[in-house]
Amino acid sequence: LAKTTQPISMDSYEGQEVNITCSHNNIATNDYITWYQQFPSQGPRFIIQGYKTKVTNEVASLFIPADRKSSTLSLPRVSLSDTAVYYCLVGAPPMDSNYQLIWGAGTKLIIKP
Amino acid sequence: EAQVTQNPRYLITVTGKKLTVTCSQNMNHEYMSWYRQDPGLGLRQIYYSMNVEVTDKGDVPEGYKVSRKEKRNFPLILESPSPNQTSLYFCASSSRGRGDEQYFGPGTRLTVT
Repeated sequence: LAKTTQPISMDSYEGQEVNITCSHNNIATNDYITWYQQFPSQGPRFIIQGYKTKVTNEVASLFIPADRKSSTLSLPRVSLSDTAVYYCLVGAPPMDSNYQLIWGAGTKLIIKP
Repeated sequence: EAQVTQNPRYLITVTGKKLTVTCSQNMNHEYMSWYRQDPGLGLRQIYYSMNVEVTDKGDVPEGYKVSRKEKRNFPLILESPSPNQTSLYFCASSSRGRGDEQYFGPGTRLTVT
């Protein structure tokens, strides 16, 4: 099973770009990388998903190097409302539910004014 | 509005008293699942369902039951709750599987005394 390692916590300031790196050394060939955001007392919310290189959407970018052993979630110009826990998950091609998907402890991101 | 709803949001009960937590989604999703979230342990999957009348165990199924008689509903049943089932529970759905973008409900905080 592909486990992930993320920093337990990070601090940043409003307006800064924040990069959260996730390590997944034993990622399998078919595994995708997915990031979720969770606010206190709410369910996780999907942010972005990718397989290789770079993926960008309206809220974040995901950078995946060629060896795919790590990935970086980039949040541009963060605000106080980005304070949350961010989870990196590896596994489960979107169309196949037979793969395991492991949720780690996540990274608690605190944005300061 | 596309959403996953859970009821109740908060529940305090006593050991051994059967309870049901309801989950409903309005997105016509095939896949639904239940997770529990405990401090320091991340989210762990309890049961999932690929479609109506198709359910399967997740990582921590002991002490729980589920049913999927209709596509939109996926209730979680605790036949004889115990204090170690005190947790925050989330229902989630996705169109294709657990690797696909999952939509989470607001959570049910259960306390078993």
